[in-house]
Amino acid sequence: DIQMTQSPSTLSASVGDRVTFTCRASAGISRRVAWYQQKPGKAPKLLLHKASILESDVPSRFSGSGIGTEFSLTITNLQPDDSATYYCQHYDNYSQYDFGQGTKLEIE
Amino acid sequence: DVHFVQSGAEVKKPGDSLKISCEGFGDTFSTDWIAWVRQMPGKGLEWMGIVYFGDSDRTYSPAFEGRITISADKSTRTVFLQWSSLRTSDTALYFCARLKGGFDVWGPGTSVTVSS
Repeated sequence: DIQMTQSPSTLSASVGDRVTFTCRASAGISRRVAWYQQKPGKAPKLLLHKASILESDVPSRFSGSGIGTEFSLTITNLQPDDSATYYCQHYDNYSQYDFGQGTKLEIE
Repeated sequence: DVHFVQSGAEVKKPGDSLKISCEGFGDTFSTDWIAWVRQMPGKGLEWMGIVYFGDSDRTYSPAFEGRITISADKSTRTVFLQWSSLRTSDTALYFCARLKGGFDVWGPGTSVTVSS
């Protein structure tokens, strides 16, 4: 099975900052990565799929990149509402959909 | 508006059986795959398994295979997750989610508490 490792586990930043989350796969997975935002007590929200395709209701401040084993999610012009935990996920043709362990973003 | 309604919170004892549900509204799910995701208290997301509404074909995560059963009823647009014998470690929030370029629509979650 492919393992997804996220870093860092916690990230502190200020309003207006630019932050980047990293997700590393244990083997090459092309661009089969999705990113989610989850706030406490709520269901996760899909932000991007295929590593860089933004969902229609997600602000353009969010962007994704990567291919193979290294992937990243970047948020520019941080807003207080961006405080959440962010997860990457590998998906593979109806056989595997494992998540990374998450990165908690704290807005100072 | 596509959305899921999940069954209500459950409190059970170790060894009990349980079946929770996730009903889809607002779109045709006949060609969709629906997944179950576990989130233990204070922990991350874990994919448990996925079922195809069209023919109930299913795949389980190796971490959960043998402990859970996932099924689907196309006539009621409902997906189920069941256990035959719960453990205290099954205490968690369980989400259903539709697969469409990632998990694009999520249910609100069903809380399951297993305690003696």
